[in-house]
Amino acid sequence: DIQMTQSPSSLSASVGDRVTITCRASQGISNSLAWFQQIPGKAPKSLIYAASTLDTGVPSKFSGSGYETDFSLTISSLQPEDFAIYYCQQYKSYPFTFGQGTKLEI
Amino acid sequence: EVQLEESGGGLVQPGGSLRLSCEASGFKFTDHLMDWVRQAPGKGLEWVGRIRNKDNRYTTEYAASVKGRFTISRDDSKNSLYLQMNSLKTEDTAVYYCARSPIQRGPMDVWGQGTTVTVAS
Repeated sequence: DIQMTQSPSSLSASVGDRVTITCRASQGISNSLAWFQQIPGKAPKSLIYAASTLDTGVPSKFSGSGYETDFSLTISSLQPEDFAIYYCQQYKSYPFTFGQGTKLEI
Repeated sequence: EVQLEESGGGLVQPGGSLRLSCEASGFKFTDHLMDWVRQAPGKGLEWVGRIRNKDNRYTTEYAASVKGRFTISRDDSKNSLYLQMNSLKTEDTAVYYCARSPIQRGPMDVWGQGTTVTVAS
């Protein structure tokens, strides 16, 4: 199985800040990487797929990059609604695997 | 409006069975692959399995942790997805989400609100 490792596990930031979350795959996955946002108690929401393609309706403050094993999610100009848990997921091969999550806190 | 609505969760004893359902609306169900993802209390997301569509012969994939115990099926005439869970273990306790995956896109893009399964004696 492909292991996905996110860093950091938690991150403190302030409204207006720009933050970057990284995700590393244990083997090359091309650009088969997605990012999800989850507000505790709610269902996950898709943000990005194919490493850098924003889902419909996702604001351009979110951006993704990376290829093969190293990926990142950047969120600019943080707003209160952005404080959530973020997960990366590889869909290059089965079983699909998620990172452990990064909790973005105020 | 695109919607997925899970149902069927509840309390079940270890070794028991439960069948979850997911009703889809607002999109062409037959054009999508469908996934189940779960989240144990206080934990991260775990992919459970996938079923492809008719054009892909309804083939399935499963996580090792559920293979042989869980079965994913779908009824396109009812726009519904199912997860039959047998031989349940306490570690299967989780919120179970269904999610759709457009064939040309890859990963899941729309998620249901989840249904809670508790395995306990």
